[in-house]
This record gives sequence, C-alpha cells and structure tokens, in this order.
Amino acid sequence: DGGITQSPKYLFRKEGQNVTLSCEQNLNHDAMYWYRQDPGQGLRLIYYSQIVNDFQKGDIAEGYSVSREKKESFPLTVTSAQKNPTAFYLCASSIIGGDGYTFGSGTRLTVV
Amino acid sequence: RKEVEQDPGPFNVPEGATVAFNCTYSNSASQSFFWYRQDCRKEPKLLMSVYSSGNEDGRFTAQLNRASQYISLLIRDSKLSDSATYLCAAPSYNTDKLIFGTGTRLQVFP
Repeated sequence: DGGITQSPKYLFRKEGQNVTLSCEQNLNHDAMYWYRQDPGQGLRLIYYSQIVNDFQKGDIAEGYSVSREKKESFPLTVTSAQKNPTAFYLCASSIIGGDGYTFGSGTRLTVV
Repeated sequence: RKEVEQDPGPFNVPEGATVAFNCTYSNSASQSFFWYRQDCRKEPKLLMSVYSSGNEDGRFTAQLNRASQYISLLIRDSKLSDSATYLCAAPSYNTDKLIFGTGTRLQVFP
C-alpha cells in the first residue's frame, strides 16, 4: 500500500545536538512538506519542496535544514540553532495542485 | 486577519446531536478546500474535500459559501468516536500551498 512513513516515532535530543527526522513516501507525489505542531496549536510550515533538488523556506525555517535528493525522501534536520525544538513534527506530501495532503504519523521530538 | 480562521471550541455535544463548525478564509480566488480530522497525538487525516457548492459523505456534510468566504462542516447524529479536532485548509495567496486553521475541538459525551 502506498503511504508516507516518518521515523522515528519518538526522538530525544540533548542540548546542542543536531538530529535528523526521516520522511519517505511511495505515493509518487511531487511535493513534500514539513510542519511543526505545538500543543493546542495549529500546523506551522517549516520547509517545502515541489521538485527534487529544490526546496523553499516556510514560515518558521530558522534552525532547520532539509534536502531533497530523491523524489521519495525529504529529511528534516533540527539543528542546535533551534532554541525550542520540542514539538510534534509532521511530514506531508501531495500532487501539486491536487486533492489535499497526505500526512505521515509524525515524530515527537523532546529536548532532554 | 489570518488566512484561515476557526473557532477553537471546544464544542461539547451529546451523542445524537447535530453540530456545525465554520471556517473563514481570506483568499477569494481559492477553488478547493479541505476538512481534516486529527485525533489526540496523531496525524491529521483527510475527511472531505470541497470544490464547489458542497460535499456529503454519510453523516458529514461540507458546504462552501463563496459570498461570505467560509466553509462549514456539519456532523449529524454525533457518535462518541467523532470526538477529535477538525482542521480546515485552504490554498494560500499566490501559491498552491495549503494554509491550515488551528482546528476546532469536538467532544461528544454519552
């Protein structure tokens, strides 16, 4: 079955450490997105990509980096420059101009 | 004004009740809208798409009011299992990215 897979489900980061969240899709979608969701709040866009080797900053890109070397993969790195990284991170994909987004099951990141 | 706005709720309704949520949007050129359901600590899942006047799927009806720039979600005969947060989404200005509302929380009680 086609879908979008995020890993790990839970991640603990020490202060000053970079961590990378994985997002893989086999839906043949061109566009992929990373969102952050804080408790009781909406989705805030971090980065998005509509084509391989190209990506754009969203509303809260500071402290994050991404790559899009393959159509299927869009990993997100949370760098030490992100001062408040504890949140629920959601990856999504879509056909450009298509019928909504499909979300992965999310990664819950906690700073320890 | 936010591009997409929702009443955060919570809406507390008894089983069997009919409940409706509204979502206002500011991009008058938007052609497609979406309702998502999000359970606690889970990802949003697409509930319904709305492209013209409306869409119906069982107990759920989504309607679009272009003149007043809002979409609505009507849930009839509410079930305990309908308890969740409902997010609406609409295209952003000048891009094809979706903008999500902050969600409306529904709690159905016995």
